[in-house]
Amino acid sequence: QQQVKQSPQSLIVQKGGISIINCAYENTAFDYFPWYQQFPGKGPALLIAIRPDVSEKKEGRFTISFNKSAKQFSLHIMDSQPGDSATYFCAASGGATNKLIFGTGTLLAVQP
Amino acid sequence: DTGVSQNPRHKITKRGQNVTFRCDPISEHNRLYWYRQTLGQGPEFLTYFQNEAQLEKSRLLSDRFSAERPKGSFSTLEIQRTEQGDSAMYLCASSHSSGTQYFGPGTRLTVL
Repeated sequence: QQQVKQSPQSLIVQKGGISIINCAYENTAFDYFPWYQQFPGKGPALLIAIRPDVSEKKEGRFTISFNKSAKQFSLHIMDSQPGDSATYFCAASGGATNKLIFGTGTLLAVQP
Repeated sequence: DTGVSQNPRHKITKRGQNVTFRCDPISEHNRLYWYRQTLGQGPEFLTYFQNEAQLEKSRLLSDRFSAERPKGSFSTLEIQRTEQGDSAMYLCASSHSSGTQYFGPGTRLTVL
């Protein structure tokens, strides 16, 4: 019940295209759903996050879509750029400690 | 804020040796988390501090692992009698109350 399932494992997108990464969770106690971007040799950096009281959040080229009834959420990267090439992790948290439960990651490659 | 810092960035040790890592959180962040990340996986929660109190430990944290956060500022993670399976990236994150967790660059541990 603590798992967060993420797909696809890897993704290749052409420059200017849309990258879509999906996640699903089981624990209904989760109330915070962030996406992190990680470059090789670096720590994860927060990209965008959403709480379940809204169905969509947009920040620049990045959008989270959230479906509470399906217990799914997704990251859309519009106008993907080569500099977006990185590993993306979805995560979920809830409860007193707010510890993050991460998905297994998606390696995104944006081809010029 | 200068961000979360971790030292050392890399540590190579022989099996059976003890190692200690340090994390300096963002100032005034009362929450501090340790995660472990192995190659190709998402970070996994190890332990959580609120101020100086260690409030949760994962089952991943065997008796060989110990963490401290004296005075509620920096934190140390010690691994005794290291094993090859301990090889991983050890990440520290901090947050203010239940807000966003900001990650440090990590300490890469290699056990020979």
